[in-house]
Amino acid sequence: AQSVTQLGSHVSVSEGALVLLRCNYSSSVPPYLFWYVQYPNQGLQLLLKYTTGATLVKGINGFEAEFKKSETSFHLTKPSAHMSDAAEYFCAVRNYGQNFVFGPGTRLSVLP
Amino acid sequence: EAGVVQSPRYKIIEKKQPVAFWCNPISGHNTLYWYLQNLGQGPELLIRYENEEAVDDSQLPKDRFSAERLKGVDSTLKIQPAELGDSAVYLCASSFGTGDTGELFFGEGSRLTVL
Repeated sequence: AQSVTQLGSHVSVSEGALVLLRCNYSSSVPPYLFWYVQYPNQGLQLLLKYTTGATLVKGINGFEAEFKKSETSFHLTKPSAHMSDAAEYFCAVRNYGQNFVFGPGTRLSVLP
Repeated sequence: EAGVVQSPRYKIIEKKQPVAFWCNPISGHNTLYWYLQNLGQGPELLIRYENEEAVDDSQLPKDRFSAERLKGVDSTLKIQPAELGDSAVYLCASSFGTGDTGELFFGEGSRLTVL
């Protein structure tokens, strides 16, 4: 069965610093990959997704992620953190025709 | 375009009472999902509908949980009777279908507190 791991349940960065949130998946077949963000008391909102093609994917709010098949990873980055980036981030994977599987999430705190 | 709409946003009930949550998906989305999200965790699938058919309900605790999607549009998730451990956020999501590469669109969730 598919599984998703997110290293670090809580990550703190200073405003203006690099954001790196890690995601690894288990799958014998390259899946479709997604990053979602959840602000307090809200639903999940799509940041970006990888389906096929270019392995570096750009999303909203300056985030991007790179699919590395050899490492089964899909880490999320942003060059410069902003206070408004503080939220919970979820990595999700999906194989064609199958259900989404979500990781446990990483809470990002941005320090002034 | 309207997003996924859920109600109520918040519900507080005593244990053993019934509760129901309602979801209206994005127009034209054939696939509807109900997820359970416990505090500090990722969403976990309860049930998935393709139109009005429940195609995956393997994770739905059928002794107390039930769901329906009449006419393949709105859906209702019911818990009867509720237990303390049911306190969580119940998320509804929709998509065009499982056969494409599309993402899920989520509602804001219904937060249940069982006392």
